[in-house]
Amino acid sequence: QPALTQPASVSGSPGQSIIISCTGVSNNIGGYNYVSWYQQYPGKAPRLIIYEVSRRSSGISNRFSGSKSGNTASLTISGLQADDEADYYCSSYSNTPPVIFGAGTKVTVL
Amino acid sequence: DLVESGGGVVRPGGSLRLSCAASGFTFDDYGMSWVRQAPGKGLEWVAGIQWNGGNKGYGDSVRGRFTVSRDNARQLLYLQMNSLRADDSALYYCVVGYYYMDVWGKGTTVTVSS
Repeated sequence: QPALTQPASVSGSPGQSIIISCTGVSNNIGGYNYVSWYQQYPGKAPRLIIYEVSRRSSGISNRFSGSKSGNTASLTISGLQADDEADYYCSSYSNTPPVIFGAGTKVTVL
Repeated sequence: DLVESGGGVVRPGGSLRLSCAASGFTFDDYGMSWVRQAPGKGLEWVAGIQWNGGNKGYGDSVRGRFTVSRDNARQLLYLQMNSLRADDSALYYCVVGYYYMDVWGKGTTVTVSS
């Protein structure tokens, strides 16, 4: 049972913005600014897109942005494009174990 | 670049050691992690080790059975896996990073089956 809760799926039309939430508790997301987000295409290794809540990884489009409020972190994808269709995972530093992942969110571009 | 090796098929209760050869960056500047993904499932952080090997962490499901280590001189990361169970079957990724997973290898597959 992952300790971080994500919606199983989120969908949007091209050009729209979508938000993926990631909810934890005070001893993970709420207590630390070590939230990260990953994009994974089928059959491929994940790729880091956001780290430390809101910092974009090298080469990542500014259409991706991260934020946090209390125990919930969010990934916003603006100007949705066909190649944004993928699985997205959040992760956070935690008291123990040190790192935990959410169960993942499948993004569908309609 | 990160290249994992050592995966394979092992019987329940058996052991396996995974290796990860790193190149193209200053290995001992970075913490490293192992992350696994069972077929059709999500990501699970397995273990991590800080740059100097002094601080290690483990996921709840592997603590006491798996041991992470590194050889900075040879730029190698290891995962010793003992008392393997069927639910340890997964693709194991070697990753640069400890608090966040910066660069990922392609993974090596571990299958635990009788």
